[in-house]
Amino acid sequence: NAGVTQTPKFQVLKTGQSMTLQCAQDMNHEYMSWYRQDPGMGLRLIHYSVGAGITDQGEVPNGYNVSRSTTEDFPLRLLSAAPSQTSVYFCASSYSGNKNIQYFGAGTRLSVL
Amino acid sequence: EDQVTQSPEALRLQEGESSSLNCSYTVSGLRGLFWYRQDPGKGPEFLFTLYSAGEEKEKERLKATLTKKESFLHITAPKPEDSATYLCAVQAHGGATNKLIFGTGTLLAVQP
Repeated sequence: NAGVTQTPKFQVLKTGQSMTLQCAQDMNHEYMSWYRQDPGMGLRLIHYSVGAGITDQGEVPNGYNVSRSTTEDFPLRLLSAAPSQTSVYFCASSYSGNKNIQYFGAGTRLSVL
Repeated sequence: EDQVTQSPEALRLQEGESSSLNCSYTVSGLRGLFWYRQDPGKGPEFLFTLYSAGEEKEKERLKATLTKKESFLHITAPKPEDSATYLCAVQAHGGATNKLIFGTGTLLAVQP
């Protein structure tokens, strides 16, 4: 049981490039979320999903796309990277059976030059 | 607007010196308040969930309490391994069940 796995751990992009941050969980959780963490800002919700095929926007969704084709995977796509997207990205999962306690991955550290 | 404010931003303690961290919240109906611990370079790790005023939870040297406006994380006789950033988050009624609003955290350093 690996929990929540995020790949890659580190990434450097040039402005305008696109990429996908991967997130997978093996706990059969129905809920998954993406957050970004910036100094002095705390964790901010980007997008979330309440089940396969269902996604919705969080607090800071602009510049990001998500899809949820399976229960296990919830990739985050950066369409055209900007320096303002330099951040640490965390994926989390939870299920209603344990009062929605969210379990986090180890994070992806992204720099956009 | 739902909001979470944590204080202090940073706290330095001597080993064995007890103290408390504060989490003040404004939310349109509290569904749950969560405490997480985050070590450098890692993701947040769940500590406690509190659901109603007056509720308390304990784990080793940590004790979390909840009132209608704030939560406290009490640290009794801390050890250097308690050094971390402690995050508070709230979940509101009416929103999606996995939407959390986080504070900016308290960075705790415990010196031997």
